Amino acid sequence: GAVVSQHPSRVICKSGTSVKIECRSLDFQATTMFWYRQFPKQSLMLMATSNEGSKATYEQGVEKDKFLINHASLTLSTLTVTSAHPEDSSFYICSARRQTGNTIYFGEGSWLTVV
Amino acid sequence: SQQGEEDPQALSIQEGENATMNCSYKTSINNLQWYRQNSGRGLVHLILIRSNEREKHSGRLRVTLDTSKKSSSLLITASRAADTASYFCATDQAGGFKTIFGAGTRLFVKA
Repeated sequence: GAVVSQHPSRVICKSGTSVKIECRSLDFQATTMFWYRQFPKQSLMLMATSNEGSKATYEQGVEKDKFLINHASLTLSTLTVTSAHPEDSSFYICSARRQTGNTIYFGEGSWLTVV
Repeated sequence: SQQGEEDPQALSIQEGENATMNCSYKTSINNLQWYRQNSGRGLVHLILIRSNEREKHSGRLRVTLDTSKKSSSLLITASRAADTASYFCATDQAGGFKTIFGAGTRLFVKA
């Protein structure tokens, strides 16, 4: 079964609204979680690294005020897309690094469609 | 660019043939992983090879790593139609915690 759960798997929102995507590690503690975005027929682009209890580290070109990341506990990180636009429509995938052993597990991804 | 290069970008073969995909990366790494992604789905982890390993096998998969050339290859033997997917290499960069993905190869296996 999945060890990293993402929710929702699909979401449609109206332009200008905000949408939150959750990433949970189900049976392990993850001090670090990662958020990726994938446009159709393209690769996964790392957006930000989320560390529990501290501010996320964003990759160059990713707007931190638009993509709010919160990692409030060792099992949950959230990505909030604020004031969403149609060009934000994409597949968002999280991954979590297990605190012990350093293995990384990926979530199933979340499809965001902004209309 | 964040990504390494993968080639070919797309590969179409007949069932039963072997498929070889190549990946090159830019920085020193701790390990390299290969993932498969079916259209519109999440990632499936295939195999991990550490920086001190040169070759690894898992079922029909064979992965090689050449750290001097900063490159890796994934060989799928006796391909099946169900192998049709996109394949990505991903590197865990030395000295950091980030996993960076290559551009990917889209494999199509014709029955």
